[in-house]
Amino acid sequence: EVQLVQSGAEVKKPGESLKISCKGSGYSFTTYWIAWVRQKPGKGLEWMGIIYPGDSDTRYSPSFQGQVTISADKSISTAYLQWSSLKASDTAMYYCARQGGGADYWGQGTLVTVSS
Amino acid sequence: DIQMTQSPSSLSASVGDRVTITCRASQGISNYLAWFQQKPGKAPKSLIFAATSLQSGVPSKFSGSGSGTDFTLTISSLQPEDFATYYCQQYYNYPHTFGQGTKLGIK
Repeated sequence: EVQLVQSGAEVKKPGESLKISCKGSGYSFTTYWIAWVRQKPGKGLEWMGIIYPGDSDTRYSPSFQGQVTISADKSISTAYLQWSSLKASDTAMYYCARQGGGADYWGQGTLVTVSS
Repeated sequence: DIQMTQSPSSLSASVGDRVTITCRASQGISNYLAWFQQKPGKAPKSLIFAATSLQSGVPSKFSGSGSGTDFTLTISSLQPEDFATYYCQQYYNYPHTFGQGTKLGIK
């Protein structure tokens, strides 16, 4: 069974760093792209970027380029999304999704709250 | 970026109705179009990929059509569990942009 399991909710202060994770199982992790998607409270879905764990080829949306870093460790079948300096406007739910036939499998989401 | 525009933004319907949601791309995307359903507090669920192909396990009451710039998602015989928000997404070009969503509510 394909599963993407994300790390738990985080509460951080502005300026702090953060790295959240997405662990894949039940399929060959290195042969499917993994995307990250943001959803602010009460709003729609925003595509942030995507990584191919096989060779770490990464593409970013221009809206998120330079704001976040996407990475992967194929030895532990895990993709990451990280921030070096969080802002209050980063408060959102973040999803990872496997790019199979479209984004076919999704993680359960990680809620990130940034507040002073 | 390719802009994806859904219509309507919201829609009210009754149990048993058939509804259609439209998604338009700002440029041609062939059939690289997916549809998702999202319920409150839950992750999106994939319904359709490649514009017309049903994801495994998705009931046949959901169907997709279109190619190029204009696409539709049709849901037949609405049931209470179908009331949710629906999104389209193009994966023809990076960034893989989403439509703004269509909220399907009970009339």
